[in-house]
Amino acid sequence: RKEVEQDPGPFNVPEGATVAFNCTYSNSASQSFFWYRQDCRKEPKLLMSVYSSGNEDGRFTAQLNRASQYISLLIRDSKLSDSATYLCVVLIVTDKLIFGTGTRLQVFP
Amino acid sequence: DAGITQSPRHKVTETGTPVTLRCHQTENHRYMYWYRQDPGHGLRLIHYSYGVKDTDKGEVSDGYSVSRSKTEDFLLTLESATSSQTSVYFCAISESTSGRASQANEQFFGPGTRLTVL
Repeated sequence: RKEVEQDPGPFNVPEGATVAFNCTYSNSASQSFFWYRQDCRKEPKLLMSVYSSGNEDGRFTAQLNRASQYISLLIRDSKLSDSATYLCVVLIVTDKLIFGTGTRLQVFP
Repeated sequence: DAGITQSPRHKVTETGTPVTLRCHQTENHRYMYWYRQDPGHGLRLIHYSYGVKDTDKGEVSDGYSVSRSKTEDFLLTLESATSSQTSVYFCAISESTSGRASQANEQFFGPGTRLTVL
């Protein structure tokens, strides 16, 4: 079983739609959680950290469920520019980041 | 954007040749990392450094070595390249690894190096 698992997608949604991605992790001692965004043939960039209480940044909301060991990312009012691959990332106890394989989002007009 | 560059950006080489990739940062961050990214796999850690001359192995370190003689430079060497090492290589830097989600342990990535081993 992979340490971090994501649905690879693609998720094809129209502009203005709300879309949600989930990610599960296997290490119950995982300490920190992040969502990174990666555009095609570009480097990953941090989208947002995921806090235990959940957090929101504009149209983006991240949630953490430690009991079920998953994190989620909700994108409201999708824009064409949101088209990218979203990487779920977990910081494990050895201070190393474990990356999921990513979920691809395609927003169409 | 964080000041992090990688060179070369693209390289084609033949099996058995040595290859060195360079990562250079201007942020004075303590931690530096080398990852490879392949289809069907997430980014996988090859080696990382927690200071000058201090390095450690990641999950896919076989066939790779690293060196860090200066804070700003982290070199990845493939002593004898193989076709299985064809990949996109990313360097990353971070200020700390405190274990808590914070801006300090955000990893900033370089633009990547596309390496093809024929």
